[in-house]
Amino acid sequence: DAKTTQPPSMDCAEGRAANLPCNHSTISGNEYVYWYRQIHSQGPQYIIHGLKNNETNEMASLIITEDRKSSTLILPHATLRDTAVYYCIVRVVESNAGNMLTFGGGTRLMVKP
Amino acid sequence: GAVVSQHPSWVICKSGTSVKIECRSLDFQATTMFWYRQFPKQSLMLMATSNEGSKATYEQGVEKDKFLINHASLTLSTLTVTSAHPEDSSFYICSARMSGWNGNEQFFGPGTRLTVL
Repeated sequence: DAKTTQPPSMDCAEGRAANLPCNHSTISGNEYVYWYRQIHSQGPQYIIHGLKNNETNEMASLIITEDRKSSTLILPHATLRDTAVYYCIVRVVESNAGNMLTFGGGTRLMVKP
Repeated sequence: GAVVSQHPSWVICKSGTSVKIECRSLDFQATTMFWYRQFPKQSLMLMATSNEGSKATYEQGVEKDKFLINHASLTLSTLTVTSAHPEDSSFYICSARMSGWNGNEQFFGPGTRLTVL
């Protein structure tokens, strides 16, 4: 799976949009971009994933550049409960493969009042 | 749906004892379960992959005789830390993979915090 690079930490004001970048310049054509987050002392939580197109769900939006070498996770209106470590993971997903997730350092997002 | 539970949520044990951690998929069948370990202020590190009815596959550097994994059914995997020592103190997290794929096929448990005295 391709390696990802994320800033170690970011701050965001409550109510504002949080934009978390991820660089995955060596991504292959069949690799998806996944985002998870981990609130302190809890298991990771799936947020969103995408292949080429931008995606949006009830939690966030995922913007993938046209060359797919980077992406941005957007939390449109950050709340204090969004304070967590956010992990960007690039992976191949195959029905018969192990499909383990390889976690990098992630970005520690601190939402401040 | 797609809930994974872990039991216990925390455990304190004496050095030299064994500790068993359970991971259950509550509302789906999991052909594959994964066990991770997370030390303070570090990321999750995959320890092993277990498939129902077969032996687990361990990552490099993880002792299979120390971390016994049993995936006896499609809804239960157990991790036993044998002869635990203080350096085994960590946050242990499992994930369960749902059969088939709908984009989000892995679900994580809440984690088990192990403290070895």
